Amino acid sequence: EVQLLESGGGLVQPGGSLGLSCAASGFTFSSYAMSWVRQAPGKGLEWVSSISATGGTTYYTDSLKGRFTISRDNSKDTLYLHVNSLRAEDTAVYYCAKDIVLLPSAYFDYWGQGTLVTVSS
Amino acid sequence: SYVLIQAPSVSVAPGQTARITCGGNNIGSKSVHWYQQTPGQAPVLVIYYDSDRPSGIPERFSGSNSGNTATLTISRVEAGDEADYYCQVWDSSSDHVVFGGGTKLTVL
Repeated sequence: EVQLLESGGGLVQPGGSLGLSCAASGFTFSSYAMSWVRQAPGKGLEWVSSISATGGTTYYTDSLKGRFTISRDNSKDTLYLHVNSLRAEDTAVYYCAKDIVLLPSAYFDYWGQGTLVTVSS
Repeated sequence: SYVLIQAPSVSVAPGQTARITCGGNNIGSKSVHWYQQTPGQAPVLVIYYDSDRPSGIPERFSGSNSGNTATLTISRVEAGDEADYYCQVWDSSSDHVVFGGGTKLTVL
C-alpha cells in the first residue's frame, strides 16, 4: 500500500524558516518524481514544486522560487521542502504527491494527508 | 503562464448529471487530470489523461477534452459526490503544474 506521511509543520513566526518532510512507503521511491502542493485555508490547490526521480531536476512555481527548496533522499525514501522567509500568505496545508513517471510531467496518483504550516506572530 | 478556469460552483439534484468544465487556451492539446477533494481530506484522482478512470473510481465518472474546454461528467449524482473538483495539466512550455481554481459541487 502506498503511503505518504508529511511532517514538520507547525507555528512559525514571519521571517522564519521551516523544514517539511514526506516519508514514502509502499512503492519504489527512487523511480518516481515527487511534488509539493499547498492549500491555503478555504482556497484551492496551488502547486509549489516538483523534483525528478533522481533529484537532478527541480521545478518551482514562479512566485516561490528562491524561498523554497525541494530535495529528496532516495536512500531514506523521503522528500523534503525547506522554506525560508515565511510570510503570512504561506499559511497552508502542504501536501506531498507522487507522480507516475520519472520526470515531473503528468499527474499525481497518490497524496499524503498534509501538514499544516501556520505563519503568525 | 498557462491558466485554467473553472466555475466556482455547480449544483445538481440527486440522480441527475453534473458537468464540471475546465477552460484553457487550446486545452485539447494537453492531457487533463481531475481530482476530488472532500472537506478535511487530501485530493483523490478521479480522471487522468482526459478520460481514464483509476481503479476504484465508479464508472459514473467520465471525462472529455476538446478545443478550449475539458469536462468532468458525473452521471447519476449521489450525495457522496458532493466535493470540490480540480482540473490539472502539465504545462510543458513552462515546466509547471497548473491547477484550475476548483469547482464546488453541491448535491441539492
